[in-house]
Amino acid sequence: EVQLLESGGGLVQPGGSLRLSCTASGFTFTNYALGWVRQAPGKGLEWVSCISSSGDRTNYADSVRGRFTISRDNYKNTLFLQVNSLRAEDTATYYCAKSLTSGVADFDYWGQGTLVTVSS
Amino acid sequence: QSALTQPASVSGSPGQSITISCTGGNSDVGGYNYVSWYQQHPGKAPKLIIFDVTYRPSGVSNRFSGSKSGNTASLTISGLQAEDEADYYCNSYTSINTRVFGGGTKLTVL
Repeated sequence: EVQLLESGGGLVQPGGSLRLSCTASGFTFTNYALGWVRQAPGKGLEWVSCISSSGDRTNYADSVRGRFTISRDNYKNTLFLQVNSLRAEDTATYYCAKSLTSGVADFDYWGQGTLVTVSS
Repeated sequence: QSALTQPASVSGSPGQSITISCTGGNSDVGGYNYVSWYQQHPGKAPKLIIFDVTYRPSGVSNRFSGSKSGNTASLTISGLQAEDEADYYCNSYTSINTRVFGGGTKLTVL
């Protein structure tokens, strides 16, 4: 059974940083791209970032490029999202998701999300 | 990377069919056959129900179907059931190797 478990969310002040983690199990981690999707409270889904199966290719939404960094540890089956220079509009539940392929594609499995709240 | 355009809400009675549209441009929906649809129930993670315009993942009911014409993709749900009441989001690959979601459509089963 595929499982994705996010952690690392919390309350942070504007301008602050967090490191989100996602531990995966139940599939061959190194065969698939992974990504992050966020959802502000009461709002729609926003695609944030994706990393290829090998980790050599990354893609970002314009809204986070330059502030967020996606990475993965293929030995520990873990995905990361370093979020810096946080703004109030970054407040959202951040979902970790598994891609259908080794590259940018749809997400067929999702975690339950970790909430990031940016507020002073 | 502007969000794709979806109607805010649609509704239908049990047993009926409904269609949700998703409009983009030549750099996303119209340019690639990489449109997908997700279903999200309140408080739950999204679920992939259609990918690559017309394909259903294993286990998804064949009451869900997808299509595309030009810059507009559509999701049709036939034989509406109470459990179909949820938010639905379209998603497309883009010319800059990212993905973009639609604003979401709330489906109400009357």
